[in-house]
Amino acid sequence: GQQVMQIPQYQHVQEGEDFTTYCNSSTTLSNIQWYKQRPGGHPVFLIQLVKSGEVKKQKRLTFQFGEAKKNSSLHITATQTTDVGTYFCAGNPGTYKYIFGTGTRLKVLA
Amino acid sequence: KAGVTQTPRYLIKTRGQQVTLSCSPISGHRSVSWYQQTPGQGLQFLFEYFSETQRNKGNFPGRFSGRQFSNSRSEMNVSTLELGDSALYLCASSLASTTAGNTIYFGEGSWLTVV
Repeated sequence: GQQVMQIPQYQHVQEGEDFTTYCNSSTTLSNIQWYKQRPGGHPVFLIQLVKSGEVKKQKRLTFQFGEAKKNSSLHITATQTTDVGTYFCAGNPGTYKYIFGTGTRLKVLA
Repeated sequence: KAGVTQTPRYLIKTRGQQVTLSCSPISGHRSVSWYQQTPGQGLQFLFEYFSETQRNKGNFPGRFSGRQFSNSRSEMNVSTLELGDSALYLCASSLASTTAGNTIYFGEGSWLTVV
């Protein structure tokens, strides 16, 4: 079946270091969304990418959608303790559902 | 405006019982999706409803069912509960069908523990 793999599963970084999480889909996606879930909280929408090769920035966060629309990445520059949480990608293969990646749990050490 | 509201927030059930969870989407949203979140399996799609019709279903046994009412509120039911059904059940609403690439807004979830 359709799958979205996300790596790494866990990442511990020192505050100020950069962080990247990657998503790879087994099928071409119509669009991909990124979510952040704080410990004990619920997923919160960050951004949506639709076009092949699209790059979007939100302050220290940079999101990319691959040319083949099968992979995506989220890069955080100079992490802060407020970045702690689990980051999920969610791919839409064009059906009435999103397939969520397994998530990357980010821990930032002060 | 009010967000997605899920009730109850926490509940404990015994194996073999059944449970009904409720979700009120954001006002004006017609699409409601349900997800199961567990530490080992991440976010697993259960089903999506749009205008009272189930549009898609995930790979869950028939014990998991849902419905949507004319006011877009949704319920999901799990019958004959098993220990493995212990999870956070998240409801999400969006303005239209998710094929349109609409933003999904999640509720805070219902924590179900089966003992």
